Amino acid sequence: AQSVTQLGSHVSVSEGALVLLRCNYSSSVPPYLFWYVQYPNQGLQLLLKYTTGATLVKGINGFEAEFKKSETSFHLTKPSAHMSDAAEYFCAVIRNSGNTPLVFGKGTRLSVIA
Amino acid sequence: DAGVIQSPRHEVTEMGQEVTLRCKPISGHNSLFWYRQTMMRGLELLIYFNNNVPIDDSGMPEDRFSAKMPNASFSTLKIQPSEPRDSAVYFCASSLSGGEQETQYFGPGTRLLVL
Repeated sequence: AQSVTQLGSHVSVSEGALVLLRCNYSSSVPPYLFWYVQYPNQGLQLLLKYTTGATLVKGINGFEAEFKKSETSFHLTKPSAHMSDAAEYFCAVIRNSGNTPLVFGKGTRLSVIA
Repeated sequence: DAGVIQSPRHEVTEMGQEVTLRCKPISGHNSLFWYRQTMMRGLELLIYFNNNVPIDDSGMPEDRFSAKMPNASFSTLKIQPSEPRDSAVYFCASSLSGGEQETQYFGPGTRLLVL
C-alpha cells in the first residue's frame, strides 16, 4: 500500500528565500509521485509529477522536485519565494499504476513574508 | 478545454435535505474521482469510476452517500439525508488512460454547508 508523509503542516519563508517542502512516501511498487498546489477557495492544480526517467522534475512557477529512491523522498523546492506562492501544497502518490486514485499527504501551508 | 466542471460551486442546505453535486469531466477522459476535503481529515477519496463503472466506493462514508456515472460526460454525488458533518468541499477529478494517464485534473470544488 502507498502512503505519503508531509513534514510540517505550516512552513513560513521570507520573500526571496528558498522554499523547501518535504515529502516522504511509502510504496511497495515503483511509485508515481505528484505535487499539487491549492490556492484559497480553488481546486487543486498540478505542479509537477514524477513517473519514470529523470529524477529531477521541473514544474510550473519555478518549482522542482527530486525523486530520491534511497531516501524515499520527493521534496519540493523553489530557489526564491514569491508572495504569490502562498498556498497549500499537497504531495501525492498513485496507489497503483493506471487510472487509480491519488493518496494524498495532509498538506503543507506555505506562507511568504514580505 | 474547459477543464473539469462542477456545480453548484456553493450549496447551503438544512439538515435532512437531499443534496446533489454534479461533475462534468474533461472530454475524452475515462476515469472520474470524487474527493472530499475537510480541515480535520484532509483530502479523502470517496469513490472512483473507470469507463463509467464504479471501481472502489470504500471511501463512501455511509449509505446516505451515493454516486452515479450514467455516461462518460456526467457524474453525480448525492447525499440523502444530509447532516451537518457532511459540510466540506467536494472535488471531482478526471484522468485519461494512456498518454498522461496518471495525471488527475481537478474541478474547482463544491463548498457544501449543512445547517
